[in-house]
Amino acid sequence: EMQLLESGGDLVQPGGSLRLSCAASGFTFGSYAMYWVRQAPGKGLEWVSGNSGGGGSTYYADSVKGRCTISRDNSKNTLYLQMDSLRAEDTAVYYCAKDRLHGYVGGPLDFDLWGRGTLVTVSS
Amino acid sequence: QSVLTQPPSVSAAPGQRVTISCSGSRSNIGNNYVSWFQQFPGTAPKLLIYENSKRPSGIPDRFSGSKSGTSATLGITGLQTGDEADYYCGTWDSSLSVGVFGGGTKLTVL
Repeated sequence: EMQLLESGGDLVQPGGSLRLSCAASGFTFGSYAMYWVRQAPGKGLEWVSGNSGGGGSTYYADSVKGRCTISRDNSKNTLYLQMDSLRAEDTAVYYCAKDRLHGYVGGPLDFDLWGRGTLVTVSS
Repeated sequence: QSVLTQPPSVSAAPGQRVTISCSGSRSNIGNNYVSWFQQFPGTAPKLLIYENSKRPSGIPDRFSGSKSGTSATLGITGLQTGDEADYYCGTWDSSLSVGVFGGGTKLTVL
């Protein structure tokens, strides 16, 4: 069974850092582009970042560009999101999601597998 | 302010049909496939429609999708109370080089 499990969410002060992880199982992880999508409390979905299957291509939303780094370790079947200089507006549930078919970022948002999410709260 | 525009809410009676619109521009919907997601409170989104109109395995044919120009539409027939959820459209924006979602539409089955 395909599965994604996020971890690393926590309460952090403004300006702080966190590293989120997403452990994948049940599929050939390195064959698929992977993404982070977040959802602030009571708000809609926001695309955050995408990483190609080989890890060489990365894309970021303007809201996190320069403060977040997406990466992956295909030997560990794990996706990461390093978040620095955190702001109150970064408070959200962060989901990792798998591309249905493609190994590259820039295709349709065919996210056929999602994790349960991990909560990041930025507050003093 | 979302790049893709959806109505905040729609409602219809059980058994009826409802449509949810998603409006964008040439750089996103106009040149890329649209996906639709269903989300129940407190749970992760679920892929409902991909490549404008295709349904993943397990999604009933009561759900349909279409695209015309820079707009897409999700249709749900034979509404059930269990369809009450938030629905999101999403696509890639070729000019911004980012993924974009609509603001979401809350479906109420009266």
